Amino acid sequence: EVQLLESGGGLVQPGGSLRLSCAASGFTFRDYAMSWVRQAPGRGLEWVSGISGSIGSTYYADSVKGRFTISRDNSKNTLDLQMNSLRAEDTAVYYCAKSLQRVAARDFDYWGRGTLVTVSS
Amino acid sequence: QSALTQPPSASGSPGQSVTISCTGTSSDVGGYNYVSWYQQRPGKAPKLMIYEVTKRPSGVPDRFSGSKSGNTASLTVSGLQAEDEADYYCSSYAGTNIPVFGGGTKLTVL
Repeated sequence: EVQLLESGGGLVQPGGSLRLSCAASGFTFRDYAMSWVRQAPGRGLEWVSGISGSIGSTYYADSVKGRFTISRDNSKNTLDLQMNSLRAEDTAVYYCAKSLQRVAARDFDYWGRGTLVTVSS
Repeated sequence: QSALTQPPSASGSPGQSVTISCTGTSSDVGGYNYVSWYQQRPGKAPKLMIYEVTKRPSGVPDRFSGSKSGNTASLTVSGLQAEDEADYYCSSYAGTNIPVFGGGTKLTVL
């Protein structure tokens, strides 16, 4: 059974940093692209960042480029998101999502339960 | 990276069919056959219902179908059931491995 378990969310002040992690199990982690998708309270889904399978090419939404860094450890089956220079508009539930594809950040067939990030003073 | 356009709401009675539209541009929906649809129930994570415009993942009822014409994709739910009440989001590949989501449509089963 595929499982994705996010951790690391919490309350942080504007300008601060936070690191999210996602522990994956139940599939060959290195064979699939992974992404972070967020959802602000009462709002829609927004793709944040993605990383390809074995090669680890990274992709970012314009809204987080230069502030967020995605990474993966295929030996530990973990996906991380380092978030710096956080803003109030980054407040959201952050989901870890698995792609059906090896390279492309699309067609997310499994999602974690999400972790809440709140940016507020 | 502009969001795709969906109607905020849609509704239908049990047994009826309802279609939800998703409008983009030639740079996303119209440019690739990589449109997906997600169902999200309150307090839950999204669930993939359709990918690559028309394909259904294992376990998704065949009451759910997808299509595309030009820059507009559509999700049709046939034989509406109470359990289909949820938010539905479309997503499209937009080049350079960037996917874009629609704003979401709240489907109400009357």
